[in-house]
Amino acid sequence: EPEVTQTPSHQVTQMGQEVILRCVPISNHLYFYWYRQILGQKVEFLVSFYNNEISEKSEIFDDQFSVERPDGSNFTLKIRSTKLEDSAMYFCASSAQEAFFGQGTRLTVV
Amino acid sequence: RKEVEQDPGPFNVPEGATVAFNCTYSNSASQSFFWYRQDCRKEPKLLMSVYSSGNEDGRFTAQLNRASQYISLLIRDSKLSDSATYLCVVNKKTSGTYKYIFGTGTRLKVLA
Repeated sequence: EPEVTQTPSHQVTQMGQEVILRCVPISNHLYFYWYRQILGQKVEFLVSFYNNEISEKSEIFDDQFSVERPDGSNFTLKIRSTKLEDSAMYFCASSAQEAFFGQGTRLTVV
Repeated sequence: RKEVEQDPGPFNVPEGATVAFNCTYSNSASQSFFWYRQDCRKEPKLLMSVYSSGNEDGRFTAQLNRASQYISLLIRDSKLSDSATYLCVVNKKTSGTYKYIFGTGTRLKVLA
């Protein structure tokens, strides 16, 4: 069964450092997403991506964040100058009609 | 008003019980509706899509009432393995793409 894969599964970084979270969406899907979930809270929309550009972004997705599809398979989320409050699970998803989520990257900023 | 509202629970039920979860959404332009299941510190996994005609998958039945902007999930004959958080998800098309909006989730604990 096709699935969304994310790497790394866990990333620890120092405050102020840059991190790149990687995702391989399901191959025939055209819509890609990043979501985050702070421990104990709801799953929050960050950004959607279609046709090689951002379709929509939330208030959370400020200039600190960027997304890229550097090749035909990978979809990345870059967080510049990480803050303590960026600590969360970051989920990548892709969809045709139903969205399928990767297993997540747990980001810990210390 | 939140876009997607759910009772956070927890719902503690004995094995074999029937349990129902409800969800309301605020945007009448919402187009698709889903229930996801999330285990602790794992990703949301699609449980089922929800259609106006209602749909059933084994012990799970989902209903949608567009007029009332209300979605439900019924679980019959609860198993210990059903213990999880159930997420109501609403999808709307904006700016040419889809956006999946999550409720806070309802926690279910099935007790032996």
